Amino acid sequence: GIQVEQSPPDLILQEGANSTLRCNFSDSVNNLQWFHQNPWGQLINLFYIPSGTKQNGRLSATTVATERYSLLYISSSQTTDSGVYFCAVTSSNTGKLIFGQGTTLQVKP
Amino acid sequence: EAQVTQNPRYLITVTGKKLTVTCSQNMNHEYMSWYRQDPGLGLRQIYYSMNVEVTDKGDVPEGYKVSRKEKRNFPLILESPSPNQTSLYFCASSFGQYYVQYFGAGTRLSVL
Repeated sequence: GIQVEQSPPDLILQEGANSTLRCNFSDSVNNLQWFHQNPWGQLINLFYIPSGTKQNGRLSATTVATERYSLLYISSSQTTDSGVYFCAVTSSNTGKLIFGQGTTLQVKP
Repeated sequence: EAQVTQNPRYLITVTGKKLTVTCSQNMNHEYMSWYRQDPGLGLRQIYYSMNVEVTDKGDVPEGYKVSRKEKRNFPLILESPSPNQTSLYFCASSFGQYYVQYFGAGTRLSVL
């Protein structure tokens, strides 16, 4: 089945720093979503981005479907950005939503 | 407010005692699904439903049942819970499997 790999697995930043999270996938996909799981366990939709670039405040995402990767940019990070960031893709073959293992981000004040 | 509502949020139970976790959405979504999240294993799909009365197995369906009698509700049933079903459970809904998936707040289940 499709493989979804996220990097880095862990990231520690000082408040105000910028970061880039990466998601690689091994096969063609029909959609791609980025989620933030906060310390209370809730999964928050960040972006639905099967291709192209989107921005929402300090966050932006780019997906290059032909090269099978997506990037999530976090600028001027804040302590509230801490948590786990997941990339999830829907396989064109199976229609199933497959999650990556996540990037755990800790932003220190 | 558009949302997916799961209940209960937290549950501690004992082995073998049947339980149901409810899931309801108010967005008129056709597609609904259940996931479990475990350390080191990530999120895995348990069951999904493309529409009313249509359900199918995900990747880890053993020990679970679902039903979809109404469009808005998709309960997860554990007929005889076991400790290996201790996990964080999420319900999700969308207009279809290729659309934006909206997740509930999660249910933390402990089976003793």
